[in-house]
Amino acid sequence: SYVLTQPPSVSVAPGQTARITCGGNNIGSKSVHWYQQKPGQAPVLVVYDDSDRPSGIPERFSGSNSGNTATLTISRVEAGDEADYYCQVWDSSSEGVFGGGTKLTVL
Amino acid sequence: QVQLQESGPGLVKPSETLSLTCTVSGGSISSYYWSWIRQPAGKGLEWIGRIYTSGSTNYNPSLKSRVTMSVDTSKNQFSLKLSSVTAADTAVYYCARGWFGELGPFDYWGQGTLVTVSS
Repeated sequence: SYVLTQPPSVSVAPGQTARITCGGNNIGSKSVHWYQQKPGQAPVLVVYDDSDRPSGIPERFSGSNSGNTATLTISRVEAGDEADYYCQVWDSSSEGVFGGGTKLTVL
Repeated sequence: QVQLQESGPGLVKPSETLSLTCTVSGGSISSYYWSWIRQPAGKGLEWIGRIYTSGSTNYNPSLKSRVTMSVDTSKNQFSLKLSSVTAADTAVYYCARGWFGELGPFDYWGQGTLVTVSS
């Protein structure tokens, strides 16, 4: 089955830009969705279809996808962005697949 | 505003069947995909499977032999059964709505319910 690979952790200072990657074989041919999960809470969709934002998600959250890597970019990082982030795709067998998750730490 | 609420026993004995129901309010269950996703403590998200309101299903291959999902459109509910559970099935179980069709994201999630497998 399809595998998505994320770095376990990313650290960034407030006001800087965080980039969280999601690697997969030819992931550029798939639609990638990103979720934010804070401790004790359900995940929240922050980017869908590679680069679209749901209503209510700040413009600071953006996404891209090409080749074997999709990237979630958080600009002007705030303390409130500290959370776990997961990428997700649907594979060719209609199986939902999540990346292992990346813990974003705001220094 | 669509809301999802999981319900079911919080404690299940090993070898028995875990049964959960997700009730959808604030919108119709029809014409959407509905998924179950779980998360063991301190670990990542695992997709269990999904059901469309027609009753068609897709399951995670690693769980397929033990999973059954069903939908009751008259009650705006869908359900999960996971048989022959072990301690490895202990997790927070979420239900979620699939948005924009077959390849879409999960846009609404339940709050999650902790299921512990223990004798």
